Amino acid sequence: GAGVSQSPSNKVTEKGKDVELRCDPISGHTALYWYRQRLGQGLEFLIYFQGNSAPDKSGLPSDRFSAERTGESVSTLTIQRTQQEDSAVYLCASRGQLSYNEQFFGPGTRLTVL
Amino acid sequence: GNSVTQMEGPVTLSEEAFLTINCTYTATGYPSLFWYVQYPGEGLQLLLKATKADDKGSNKGFEATYRKETTSFHLEKGSVQVSDSAVYFCATLKTSYDKVIFGPGTSLSVIP
Repeated sequence: GAGVSQSPSNKVTEKGKDVELRCDPISGHTALYWYRQRLGQGLEFLIYFQGNSAPDKSGLPSDRFSAERTGESVSTLTIQRTQQEDSAVYLCASRGQLSYNEQFFGPGTRLTVL
Repeated sequence: GNSVTQMEGPVTLSEEAFLTINCTYTATGYPSLFWYVQYPGEGLQLLLKATKADDKGSNKGFEATYRKETTSFHLEKGSVQVSDSAVYFCATLKTSYDKVIFGPGTSLSVIP
């Protein structure tokens, strides 16, 4: 497909387990973002990848959160030892090279930690 | 660094009322400016954008003008509909290599 895809769409896990969320950006998009959106809340920036530059990790809430990106393609967000407060929708977005390019969002992964 | 401030919500309007959602930004130079919309149960999507001073972005009856002198990008619509009920996010991007900065979002409810 032409859009940003994320998997799984829903994930229910037990407290203390690790989870891995996947994002497939639009082909050719150099910029990739992860956000968290709690119910009824705004976007919480987590991490930003831009080409081959070092990622901007300034939004990661704790060292339990990490993300990787393979070149300019797939990214995975890993949450270790999940806590109930990690329950949220995790959104991925990608953007093309030019500054006026819009950001395309994926449908999100709804994470529920029991 | 860049930042975006939006008016606090939630905003509740009657159908056919005039809508303004204020957005101001802090950035050096001439960032690109965006409004994104998130309809209930859906993902975020671009509503409109402007890339230079005095540009007017428009879509679906919504408009916003890039005002460099007041560093603002207020969203307006002359006559809202129930289907406009959503959360609206203002955003700014300084250069290709910066990250997009989103405002906190403004929830709009339009009642018949």
